[in-house]
Amino acid sequence: QVQLQQWGAGLLKPSETLSLTCAVYGGSFSAYYWSWIRQPPGKGLEWIGEINHGGSTNYNPSLKSRVIISVDTSKNQFSLKLSSVTAADTAVYYCAGLRDGDYGFYYYYYMDVWGKGTTVTVSS
Amino acid sequence: SSELTQDPAVSVALGQTVRITCQGDSLRSYYASWYQQKPGQAPVLVIYGKNNRPSGIPDRFSGSSSGSTASLTITGAQAEDEADYYCNSRDSSGNHLVFGGGTKLTVL
Repeated sequence: QVQLQQWGAGLLKPSETLSLTCAVYGGSFSAYYWSWIRQPPGKGLEWIGEINHGGSTNYNPSLKSRVIISVDTSKNQFSLKLSSVTAADTAVYYCAGLRDGDYGFYYYYYMDVWGKGTTVTVSS
Repeated sequence: SSELTQDPAVSVALGQTVRITCQGDSLRSYYASWYQQKPGQAPVLVIYGKNNRPSGIPDRFSGSSSGSTASLTITGAQAEDEADYYCNSRDSSGNHLVFGGGTKLTVL
């Protein structure tokens, strides 16, 4: 049973860099795309980006210029860095494991394992 | 379009059936996954693929898809089903994930 444990700084000042790490316990590290999702207070979920065990990344176009997701396969960990934060980046940040499947022509993706979330507040 | 659209709020009487929908062009190529989120908790996967339920999810939850619309149906809604529900899929490019805006389900 895969479990995720995440950590990182919870209070940042504007212009600083957000840094979070997520450790993966149990299961196959290479079976997942490792993802970051955030949720501003009172709002919906927003996908930030993903990385596979080989280091290939995809990012939300709206955040791409400020985001770096990296992976350390020796530690079964992956990390998020978001630069030049503002108050708009205040949110609960979740790490999650994404898997895929197909029925021939049709594909599907799903996140069946989630971290507990880290509250990040950006305030001067 | 890379967007998924959900009704902001839906209500259902206790024990009745409710359908929550998600619309988007990418759903013509990808099946949606569905997540339940209760206040202060991380989302929980409830449906993925054609109509698959993870272990531990009650069989009153089911999924379906037609054209550009995916649906989550709860047959015999219970009080504990009151939550926010989000759909999720790849976008039309296949390179990014997108979430619907979420549907707040109230069980009356």
